[in-house]
Amino acid sequence: QSVLTQPPSVSAAPGQKVTISCSGSSSNIGNNYVSWYQQLPGTAPKLLIFDNNKRPSGIPDRFSGSKSGTSATLGITGLQTGDEADYYCGTWDSSLSADVVFGGGTKLTVL
Amino acid sequence: QVQLQESGPGLVKPSETLSLTCTVSGGSISSYYWSWIRQPPGKGLEWIGYIYNSGSTNYNPSLKSRVTISVDTSKNRFSLKLSSVTAADTAVYYCARSTVTMIQGVINRYYSYYMDVWGKGTTVTVSS
Repeated sequence: QSVLTQPPSVSAAPGQKVTISCSGSSSNIGNNYVSWYQQLPGTAPKLLIFDNNKRPSGIPDRFSGSKSGTSATLGITGLQTGDEADYYCGTWDSSLSADVVFGGGTKLTVL
Repeated sequence: QVQLQESGPGLVKPSETLSLTCTVSGGSISSYYWSWIRQPPGKGLEWIGYIYNSGSTNYNPSLKSRVTISVDTSKNRFSLKLSSVTAADTAVYYCARSTVTMIQGVINRYYSYYMDVWGKGTTVTVSS
């Protein structure tokens, strides 16, 4: 059972837009910054978004992040087949649980 | 650019100690935090802990009694030891460069934590 809650799967057609939600609480998302990671099949995770909405160098602006209250959202526009991957949200947790927590991951299928 | 490479035994017997090393190339291990994360087969990511180049550490409470992370700045590498392993410790183990920032607000503290450079991961199986 992950501390952060993500939908197990989402799907959309090429060229369309998709959003992936990440729900937490005041001890994690509500009072800390969120990051997002993309894990292509058989590879290591890759940082997509940090500090809620910042993109590292080299990440296209098709990827965006936002946060409101105790939830965060990853948005992907102009979907490509190469975007098929697992996506994870992560953040700091100020409660007695682990300092760093992740969502359970969302499998994106580009139909 | 900075690259990380995990190394260590791929098979560990139950009750023994898992030992992995992450070698940092293309940059100095000084500054930044250095993390270990694992991913059991077919499951999500689990944070194990991190170390700063000063040697200060922070561990996942669920693993704290069994985990030791250390750093060797002279060799630009850091290591993970996980004792008394069981089959539940079978996973792909990743090392990653991390940024940890604490922002002091008027009342609360806010933390930013993210991992921007990852190793390729190494599979560790616990089995007799």
